[in-house]
Amino acid sequence: QITLKESGPTLVKPTQTLTLTCTFSGFSLSTSGVGVVWIRQPPGRALEWLGIIYWNDDKRYSPSLKSRLTITKDTSKNQVVLTLTNMDPVDTATYYCARRSREYPFDYWGQGTLVTVSS
Amino acid sequence: QSVLTQPPSVSGAPGQRVTISCTGSSSNIGAGYDVHWYRQLPGTVPRLLMYGNTKRPSGVPDRFSGSKSGTSASLAITGLQAEDEADYYCQSYDSSLIYVFGTGTKVTVL
Repeated sequence: QITLKESGPTLVKPTQTLTLTCTFSGFSLSTSGVGVVWIRQPPGRALEWLGIIYWNDDKRYSPSLKSRLTITKDTSKNQVVLTLTNMDPVDTATYYCARRSREYPFDYWGQGTLVTVSS
Repeated sequence: QSVLTQPPSVSGAPGQRVTISCTGSSSNIGAGYDVHWYRQLPGTVPRLLMYGNTKRPSGVPDRFSGSKSGTSASLAITGLQAEDEADYYCQSYDSSLIYVFGTGTKVTVL
């Protein structure tokens, strides 16, 4: 059974750094072709792809967030960490992590975690 | 920032057929990359509905079908049901090595 779960703060202040952890089970991030993506959704708005880390540690980021976003992995712990610097109220959103494999796009998603940016 | 354009909303009566378009560009859909679709029921997590343009994951009824041509793709729902009322998103890959989502379409069952 494949599961993913996001964890981290629910409230951050403007200019602070957000760190979210995606803890997963049922698959390995050392398997060729596998990746973990981060996606966010502001309240009432569309999905936005943030970035991905692949099994070979290759990383890709959304151009609009590239200067602020870092994604890392700890394969032994089955965790992927998202770091987003200089948070702003427009970054308020539900943040999701999801699995990507060679066969399927984002086939398993975490439950999501709502992060509010406010002073 | 959405790169794929979808109509904000579509609606239909129960039993009818509706289609949702997804328009991209020569750097994503037009470059030959697959289009996938996700459905997000109110207050829930998005779920994969269609992948590889036309393939349905296990458990998705054949009332849902996908197609792709040129720089666009479409999702069709036949025999519309009340439970189909949801937000639908297309998604693809871009030549700049990033993934892109559509703007999202709200399907309303009249």
